[in-house]
Amino acid sequence: DTEVTQTPKHLVMGMTNKKSLKCEQHMGHRAMYWYKQKAKKPPELMFVYSYEKLSINESVPSRFSPECPNSSLLNLHLHALQPEDSALYLCASSQVGAMTQYFGPGTRLTVL
Amino acid sequence: LAKTTQPISMDSYEGQEVNITCSHNNIATNDYITWYQQFPSQGPRFIIQGYKTKVTNEVASLFIPADRKSSTLSLPRVSLSDTAVYYCLVGDILNAGNMLTFGGGTRLMVKP
Repeated sequence: DTEVTQTPKHLVMGMTNKKSLKCEQHMGHRAMYWYKQKAKKPPELMFVYSYEKLSINESVPSRFSPECPNSSLLNLHLHALQPEDSALYLCASSQVGAMTQYFGPGTRLTVL
Repeated sequence: LAKTTQPISMDSYEGQEVNITCSHNNIATNDYITWYQQFPSQGPRFIIQGYKTKVTNEVASLFIPADRKSSTLSLPRVSLSDTAVYYCLVGDILNAGNMLTFGGGTRLMVKP
């Protein structure tokens, strides 16, 4: 199984809502990532988890809160987002240290 | 990670060979070169990775000259379904591989 799954596929939320994005992989990878991608721009790294511990936070605002409950799951909790946070949120996984990452299909987020 | 430079866009026709060149003048000794493909509203997909000379798989070939300051992704006999954005990344897969910094990418349009 070389698939990374993400739910939901689409999400519309208001600025006062709290929602969560979920990501799952069963490839035994111990590194998992969140990226944000705006239209016609490259993906931008947000967070990296290695062995279920947050290893990299690319100065992301605190309204984004990642969580890695176990080696297969990665969540991104969203609270008090702004319209400019609307984007495609991508999850990826890999062997720790590897440049070959496996990406999920993404969650298209719209903040009203 | 070494900075990369790619053409913003390229056009081709079905059945032609497409070569996309990436410049990475400050590539380090331990750096590998990795290419990803991304279709609209999907996550990037790993295509090929190499260190020097030539690497070939079922999807593409990667040519790397002796000085390694550039690389060329070659897609044989493209079809309409190869229309996508192609990203070149350079990094040390053993030490800094967790951090994937995507450059602008090359938007390939294949026409009938």
